[in-house]
Amino acid sequence: GAGVSQTPSNKVTEKGKYVELRCDPISGHTALYWYRQSLGQGPEFLIYFQGTGAADDSGLPNDRFFAVRPEGSVSTLKIQRTERGDSAVYLCASSFGRGLLGNEQFFGPGTRLTVL
Amino acid sequence: SQKIEQNSEALNIQEGKTATLTCNYTNYSPAYLQWYRQDPGRGPVFLLLIRENEKEKRKERLKVTFDTTLKQSLFHITASQPADSATYLCALGGSNTGKLIFGQGTTLQVKP
Repeated sequence: GAGVSQTPSNKVTEKGKYVELRCDPISGHTALYWYRQSLGQGPEFLIYFQGTGAADDSGLPNDRFFAVRPEGSVSTLKIQRTERGDSAVYLCASSFGRGLLGNEQFFGPGTRLTVL
Repeated sequence: SQKIEQNSEALNIQEGKTATLTCNYTNYSPAYLQWYRQDPGRGPVFLLLIRENEKEKRKERLKVTFDTTLKQSLFHITASQPADSATYLCALGGSNTGKLIFGQGTTLQVKP
């Protein structure tokens, strides 16, 4: 596709449920990033992949959050036992080349997660 | 801990004027700084990158300065237009990770 796509665009779930959020990066981009953004705040880093491996997962808030990128393209962010505080917009971004070089990150439209 | 501060209040200016947005940071030595634009309901869009050894970068009506001594970046939009109205985010990056640390953003409103 032309840009980064994320599905679903909106997800409403109940406290305690499991959710999966999907990101399709721009074709050929080797670095993929997950952020989450609360209302009125800037994006908060969660994890980034270089290829299939997680190069930096220092932003994952706890072990309920997990992300995979098994074939170095599509990535899934998984949240177990969701809590109301997990409600936010989850943004995915990708970049060409190694993430260390400051290459611009191309963001998707985000998935708005609401935990009731 | 690392902290980034942007103008917390919205910036309202008249069309044609220069908008200046500020990004200050503490407890961090970034290798580079980026500026992004974000419109409501959409993901951020990259505007400019400036590295630690650069003082100033320009792109069309945009200018960014980076002062590593003051730990501050200024972002200027000259000849502002109503279409420039959006939230502008600064983001810091390090030399050993691809992650970006974002400020909270400043909302700019350009009135015709």
